[in-house]
Amino acid sequence: GQNIDQPTEMTATEGAIVQINCTYQTSGFNGLFWYQQHAGEAPTFLSYNVLDGLEEKGRFSSFLSRSKGYSYLLLKELQMKDSASYLCAVRDSNYQLIWGAGTKLIIKP
Amino acid sequence: TAGITQAPTSQILAAGRSMTLRCTQDMRHNAMYWYRQDLGLGLRLIHYSNTAGTTGKGEVPDGYSVSRANTDDFPLTLASAVPSQTSVYFCASSELKRGGAAEQFFGPGTRLTVL
Repeated sequence: GQNIDQPTEMTATEGAIVQINCTYQTSGFNGLFWYQQHAGEAPTFLSYNVLDGLEEKGRFSSFLSRSKGYSYLLLKELQMKDSASYLCAVRDSNYQLIWGAGTKLIIKP
Repeated sequence: TAGITQAPTSQILAAGRSMTLRCTQDMRHNAMYWYRQDLGLGLRLIHYSNTAGTTGKGEVPDGYSVSRANTDDFPLTLASAVPSQTSVYFCASSELKRGGAAEQFFGPGTRLTVL
């Protein structure tokens, strides 16, 4: 079967750095996505990785290792507005997204 | 630009009744999707459409139907609602291209409660 695993919840301090991990087992791989979802709102796109390595976009970076079935999202200089759920999704061999349950990130002052 | 709109925002529905959730996008995206999101579970694909006139089944299609008469609209119909269909429903759209990100853009969601 297909499976995406992420921690259910994480807590971090404002101004700090946090890493959210995602491991996956899917039928085929055509890219990995990270989305942000604030409570009561729709998911919004953060990043995309299809090759191994690190993609940096401002305070957010995403890493992929295809051989390990592993990705992480790194958030630097945390701000209170970063409190949200972070969703990992893999595009499978049918070009459909398989979604993890999301990691709820709580930022404390 | 509105992006994707969904209606209604929320609805309480009696079991056994039918209902259509509406979704409209103005980005001229070929691909559209319907997901449901339940606490503790990832988004699950109900139905999708890669282009006007075609639809496909996702992971959890039972009890739902869709149509794609044109590029912009992708309604989701529950023929006879059951309590297990209580969920938040998101419509999304994307460009249809095999390479590249082709990220999905989401509507604001419809919160449906079936009693």
